[in-house]
Amino acid sequence: GENVEQHPSTLSVQEGDSAVIKCTYSDSASNYFPWYKQELGKRPQLIIDIRSNVGEKKDQRIAVTLNKTAKHFSLHITETQPEDSAVYFCAASKLAGGTSYGKLTFGQGTILTVHP
Amino acid sequence: NAGVTQTPKFQVLKTGQSMTLQCAQDMNHNSMYWYRQDPGMGLRLIYYSASEGTTDKGEVPNGYNVSRLNKREFSLRLESAAPSQTSVYFCASSVALGGTEAFFGQGTRLTVV
Repeated sequence: GENVEQHPSTLSVQEGDSAVIKCTYSDSASNYFPWYKQELGKRPQLIIDIRSNVGEKKDQRIAVTLNKTAKHFSLHITETQPEDSAVYFCAASKLAGGTSYGKLTFGQGTILTVHP
Repeated sequence: NAGVTQTPKFQVLKTGQSMTLQCAQDMNHNSMYWYRQDPGMGLRLIYYSASEGTTDKGEVPNGYNVSRLNKREFSLRLESAAPSQTSVYFCASSVALGGTEAFFGQGTRLTVV
């Protein structure tokens, strides 16, 4: 089955700096890659996702890049703010076909701390 | 709209006891999921239901059973709780299986002593 590795496990930055979180996946058939943010004591919420037919997607201060050849994708947060402090999870799934169709496999999570 | 609602929010069980976690969604979603969250291990899929009337095992199904009661409700049962099942449990739902946003419930913190 799919295996998603996420790094780093913890990341500490100063307010205004950029933060980058990287994930690798094992199944070359995976083609949907969402990112979820989980604030302390809260539920995970989708912040951005990308499909394998594009290499990059941006939404204000966050962006995701995908390298299908290398089987890795990254989350980029620019101009970080204290409210960006949270746990971030990457995930991968296949949009169609096979026994693992549709099931999200999550990475281990990255604890991001933004210091004022 | 309440979204995805789970009950209870907290629970302490003794080893060997049973319990059912309830989940309901009001977004008319077809697919529902149960995950457990443990430190350093991300979110692991226990069981899922692609649509009403179907259920399938996920990554870590041992020790659990599920019921898709109707389109809205998807319950998770622990028949004989073990300390290894101490975790935070999340129910989620999505319009369809794969490629769509998963909406999560607020979680259930379960401790088995």
